Amino acid sequence: AQTVTQSQPEMSVQEAETVTLSCTYDTSESDYYLFWYKQPPSRQMILVIRQEAYKQQNATENRFSVNFQKAAKSFSLKISDSQLGDAAMYFCAYRSGLRGSTLGRLYFGRGTQLTVWP
Amino acid sequence: DSGVTQTPKHLITATGQRVTLRCSPRSGDLSVYWYQQSLDQGLQFLIQYYNGEERAKGNILERFSAQQFPDLHSELNLSSLELGDSALYFCASSVATADEKLFFGSGTQLSVL
Repeated sequence: AQTVTQSQPEMSVQEAETVTLSCTYDTSESDYYLFWYKQPPSRQMILVIRQEAYKQQNATENRFSVNFQKAAKSFSLKISDSQLGDAAMYFCAYRSGLRGSTLGRLYFGRGTQLTVWP
Repeated sequence: DSGVTQTPKHLITATGQRVTLRCSPRSGDLSVYWYQQSLDQGLQFLIQYYNGEERAKGNILERFSAQQFPDLHSELNLSSLELGDSALYFCASSVATADEKLFFGSGTQLSVL
């Protein structure tokens, strides 16, 4: 099975600063998708950003961007201009892109708790 | 609001008991997924249903079962509960296309005492 590793259980950042959350994954597949989900205290799982492995260009969504290094199997999330509302648990997730695979089966890392200081 | 509704939000029960968790997917979504989030195991996939049929199984215990009804809502049944079953149970839904996007409910927090 694919494994996803988040080596930073906790991170903190000052409001308006930039923070990078790390994620590495292990797979033998060439076609896959990577995600970052945010889980605030409300417990809702919210999709932050998504990256298709076949795309070389790093995905961006407003203040959120990723650094996708396919050869290194690394997928980090950069949050720019951090806001108090960004405080949450962030999960990195992997999904196979192989034909016949379960489309909604995600493999999650253990999460990184992000604290944002005013 | 994701459009996925899970009830109840909280559930407290005793060991050995049986509970049913309910999920209503977003309107139009045919696929329902169940995930378990626990301190020990993290977030893990349990099972998927598509248009009433079981499609994939993950790390789901034999004491657990699920079904999806003709109106597409789904239920996760947990029986002979143990302390270790205490977790947050998520339901997610999708339209099940190649450009898959999962929409998660807010979960049911199960506490087994």
